[in-house]
Amino acid sequence: ILNVEQSPQSLHVQEGDSTNFTCSFPSSNFYALHWYRWETAKSPEALFVMTLNGDEKKKGRISATLNTKEGYSYLYIKGSQPEDSATYLCASVSYNTDKLIFGTGTRLQVFP
Amino acid sequence: DGGITQSPKYLFRKEGQNVTLSCEQNLNHDAMYWYRQDPGQGLRLIYYSQIVNDFQKGDIAEGYSVSREKKESFPLTVTSAQKNPTAFYLCASSIGSAGGKAAGYTFGSGTRLTVV
Repeated sequence: ILNVEQSPQSLHVQEGDSTNFTCSFPSSNFYALHWYRWETAKSPEALFVMTLNGDEKKKGRISATLNTKEGYSYLYIKGSQPEDSATYLCASVSYNTDKLIFGTGTRLQVFP
Repeated sequence: DGGITQSPKYLFRKEGQNVTLSCEQNLNHDAMYWYRQDPGQGLRLIYYSQIVNDFQKGDIAEGYSVSREKKESFPLTVTSAQKNPTAFYLCASSIGSAGGKAAGYTFGSGTRLTVV
């Protein structure tokens, strides 16, 4: 994988459903994986920065895992709420650069 | 509250005119970045600055220029040489370009530029 890829592109779930989405990134020279949450008309907000293989991070009902050997990260939302509706961006950065490479995002819509 | 301010939110310009987008931060961050978003694409890096009076081209710098005369400010000029200037522009900052890799970025809320 040369680029950062996110799937699915969009997701519609009912309030209370749990959901997850995927970020795939280049595994060679990997340094860090960032997750951002971007609500409409607001600024992207950092959720997690993960560096270690097997790392798991949690913030309220949102959690993320990281597999640096195979180059993927999962973001989980437990019991989705309408306020979770946003675009979730991931970005990876390697050791030999300071530039983040962003995926195209997963747009989540949670219906009450 | 500390943060990044981008102004204006919406900007309309005629083709052939240069336009400058403002980005100001009060976070005392050393590094600042400009990204462009187009439909169906990830954020793409235009320019970044690791320190005052220094900046580097990103992946799509052609047709753009920047300056970094003050730590707080990193304005982006979209010149008439930019072939497809209509886009959404996001500014970001981090404690340092190396620190930002591990600590994450703070973003502004963006400027939508439409060139007619």
